[in-house]
Amino acid sequence: AQTVTQSQPEMSVQEAETVTLSCTYDTSESDYYLFWYKQPPSRQMILVIRQEAYKQQNATENRFSVNFQKAAKSFSLKISDSQLGDAAMYFCAYRREYKLSFGAGTTVTVRA
Amino acid sequence: DGGITQSPKYLFRKEGQNVTLSCEQNLNHDAMYWYRQDPGQGLRLIYYSQIVNDFQKGDIAEGYSVSREKKESFPLTVTSAQKNPTAFYLCASSLAGTGFYEQYFGPGTRLTVT
Repeated sequence: AQTVTQSQPEMSVQEAETVTLSCTYDTSESDYYLFWYKQPPSRQMILVIRQEAYKQQNATENRFSVNFQKAAKSFSLKISDSQLGDAAMYFCAYRREYKLSFGAGTTVTVRA
Repeated sequence: DGGITQSPKYLFRKEGQNVTLSCEQNLNHDAMYWYRQDPGQGLRLIYYSQIVNDFQKGDIAEGYSVSREKKESFPLTVTSAQKNPTAFYLCASSLAGTGFYEQYFGPGTRLTVT
């Protein structure tokens, strides 16, 4: 199985501030996809953002953006203007062909 | 409303019993997946299916079995051979193939075996 590492078990951010979650992965492939999923207390998995490995441009979805460094095998998520509803566990995931491999997750707490 | 249904939300069983978790989707997706989630760990792939009547083992298939007789259904059986079955189980579906497809997840089933 591919290895996806999220080195920050927990992160705390003040409302309206910015937080960055780190993710690294191990692969020898050049063609793959990367995702960030959010799991709120309801435990429903929700896609936040995705990136194709062959695209140099970093993906952006409203307040969420990524910093994709292919050579470094790094895929960090930046949450800008944090809101209380952003509090959740965030999972980084790597996909090659049919299989999706997940990191252990980072719990984000938002302080009012 | 299109989506994925998993039932029941909570399931309790005695050790030594087999139990089947239900997963139904009406998204017209060919591919379906089962994941297990334990505290402090990410999701781990148990089984996946790209087409009806075909499925493949994931990373932790031992002690589990599946069937795929209908496109919309992918039930998971947790057998008595699974050493530590208590966990949160998530079903997902997606378009088939190797394209840039999102996996859509169901609400999950929490299984407790005592």
